Amino acid sequence: SQQGEEDPQALSIQEGENATMNCSYKTSINNLQWYRQNSGRGLVHLILIRSNEREKHSGRLRVTLDTSKKSSSLLITASRAADTASYFCATDALSREKLTFGTGTRLTIIP
Amino acid sequence: DTGVSQDPRHKITKRGQNVTFRCDPISEHNRLYWYRQTLGQGPEFLTYFQNEAQLEKSRLLSDRFSAERPKGSFSTLEIQRTEQGDSAMYLCASSGEGRANVLTFGAGSRLTVL
Repeated sequence: SQQGEEDPQALSIQEGENATMNCSYKTSINNLQWYRQNSGRGLVHLILIRSNEREKHSGRLRVTLDTSKKSSSLLITASRAADTASYFCATDALSREKLTFGTGTRLTIIP
Repeated sequence: DTGVSQDPRHKITKRGQNVTFRCDPISEHNRLYWYRQTLGQGPEFLTYFQNEAQLEKSRLLSDRFSAERPKGSFSTLEIQRTEQGDSAMYLCASSGEGRANVLTFGAGSRLTVL
């Protein structure tokens, strides 16, 4: 079963614009991660935010976490054509080793 | 190559046949995971090993599915008596100690059951 739900399911923006996608989850977590998947390939880890953190940056990525609302957002600034991919949030519930993935946001950057 | 390797990348089989997928994780990683992904969906957890011990299995993993990691290194996922509903991408991932479950994924094995 999917733990998280990403919103929107699909997003198309012009190159250079910012892209924001959201993730909601159901149970208490240790941390939340974001992964990218290019078409037909495996997933690549982007960034991790711990449950006691509220915001984290990595290059053009900014992640926020609101544990009271059980939600997170991923912002990609100054988007590039190479950012075209599906983006998934993933959580590990307390005392569990596995990651549970959301349904994903399919991002298309229009050159 | 220091990444996670999966073999074969593509497998087409007829319903009722058995298939086996292999995963070679990053050598120093002690945790290995199998996920299944269907078109337009996120990866769904199947099973997880720490070294050679299989610690958790999803209810998705019916008795037609079996996974092994005999020496705590590579792993195999076997599907017996395949059904059309088994068609999916089978993803393997590994992680090491103290990495807060950051997963390194392989490219996946795509199964098509005719």
